[in-house]
Amino acid sequence: DIQMTQSPASLSASLGETVTIECRASEDIYNGLAWYQQKPGKSPQFLIYNANILHTGVPSRLSGSGSGTQYSLKINSLQSEDVATYFCQQYYDFPNTFGAGTKLELK
Amino acid sequence: EVQLVESGGGLVQPGRSLKLSCVASGFTFRNYGMNWIRQAPGKGLEWVAYISSGSSYSYYAETVKGRFTISRDNAKNTLYLQMTSLRSEDTALFYCARMGNNNWFVYWGQGTLVTVSS
Repeated sequence: DIQMTQSPASLSASLGETVTIECRASEDIYNGLAWYQQKPGKSPQFLIYNANILHTGVPSRLSGSGSGTQYSLKINSLQSEDVATYFCQQYYDFPNTFGAGTKLELK
Repeated sequence: EVQLVESGGGLVQPGRSLKLSCVASGFTFRNYGMNWIRQAPGKGLEWVAYISSGSSYSYYAETVKGRFTISRDNAKNTLYLQMTSLRSEDTALFYCARMGNNNWFVYWGQGTLVTVSS
């Protein structure tokens, strides 16, 4: 199985800051990567697919990038509603696998 | 509006069985592959099982293969997960999720909690 390693495990930032979450695959996943946001006590929400395409309704403050084995999720101008845990998921190869998550908190 | 509503979770003893259901609405259920994904308390996400739109194909995580069976009834817009030989490590919140155009999960239910304990 392809292993997905997210970093950092947790992150504290101030309102208005820019934050970046990294996701590394154990092998090339050819942009077969999605990002999800999970707020406390809620189901995951789909954000990005194909590494860099925003799902409908996702604010443009969020962006995805990367290639090969290295991918990132960037949040510009951090808002209070961005407090959540973020997961990456590779779907290039079976089985789908998720990163362990990055918990984003406000400083 | 797409809605996925899971049910059937609960407390069950190790070795026993449980069947989860997920009722879908707001889209043409028979046109989409569906999945079960679980999340152990305080942990990350683990894909569990997939079934194709017409039930021709199903796939399982190695951790549940041979113990869990995914099925669907397109006439009832309902997805199922039959779980047998349950173990303590199966304790999790189980989500049903609808796929997008590829193997990403666009819509998720609210989850149903399965606790395996004596």
